[in-house]
Amino acid sequence: DAKTTQPNSMESNEEEPVHLPCNHSTISGTDYIHWYRQLPSQGPEYVIHGLTSNVNNRMASLAIAEDRKSSTLILHRATLRDAAVYYCILSADNNAGNMLTFGGGTRLMVKP
Amino acid sequence: DAGVIQSPRHEVTEMGQEVTLRCKPISGHNSLFWYRQTMMRGLELLIYFNNNVPIDDSGMPEDRFSAKMPNASFSTLKIQPSEPRDSAVYFCASRTGGQTYEQYFGPGTRLTVT
Repeated sequence: DAKTTQPNSMESNEEEPVHLPCNHSTISGTDYIHWYRQLPSQGPEYVIHGLTSNVNNRMASLAIAEDRKSSTLILHRATLRDAAVYYCILSADNNAGNMLTFGGGTRLMVKP
Repeated sequence: DAGVIQSPRHEVTEMGQEVTLRCKPISGHNSLFWYRQTMMRGLELLIYFNNNVPIDDSGMPEDRFSAKMPNASFSTLKIQPSEPRDSAVYFCASRTGGQTYEQYFGPGTRLTVT
């Protein structure tokens, strides 16, 4: 399985943009890039996913490099509630359901 | 929508006892996943079902673990006999089929085996 590499932790100031990087140099052509986050004492929560093009939704934006070997999750204005562990995950497109392999993730700390 | 429901939220049991964790997926979802999270190993996929049929159980640690999905609205994860190293938070997740990739996670069951 293609793996992802993320920094262990990052800090941000409240109301500032946050760019969370993810490297996936062995990504295959059919792998989707997913981002989930886990708030303290909760289950993981879907954030966004993409294949080749940049994606935007109400929570975040996903910027995917042209060679697809890296991606960046962008939180446009961090709030204290965004403090969580953010997971970047690759998943192949298959009919049996997408199996997600979670790595260590990036722990985002947001300072007021 | 109530989301994925798991019970119990907390379970404390003694080594050797049988433990049953329960999950009710979101109505209309046809895939269900069981995960385990520990500090040492992170979040691991144990097993997943598609249309109530187990598809991949390669993550189930050993024969002491078993999972069933008797119908589309209920699944169980059983540990018999339980051991202290089974202490973890167990999450259930569900997703709809087709081109939707989003998995919805439940709040988890924190299991402590003494």
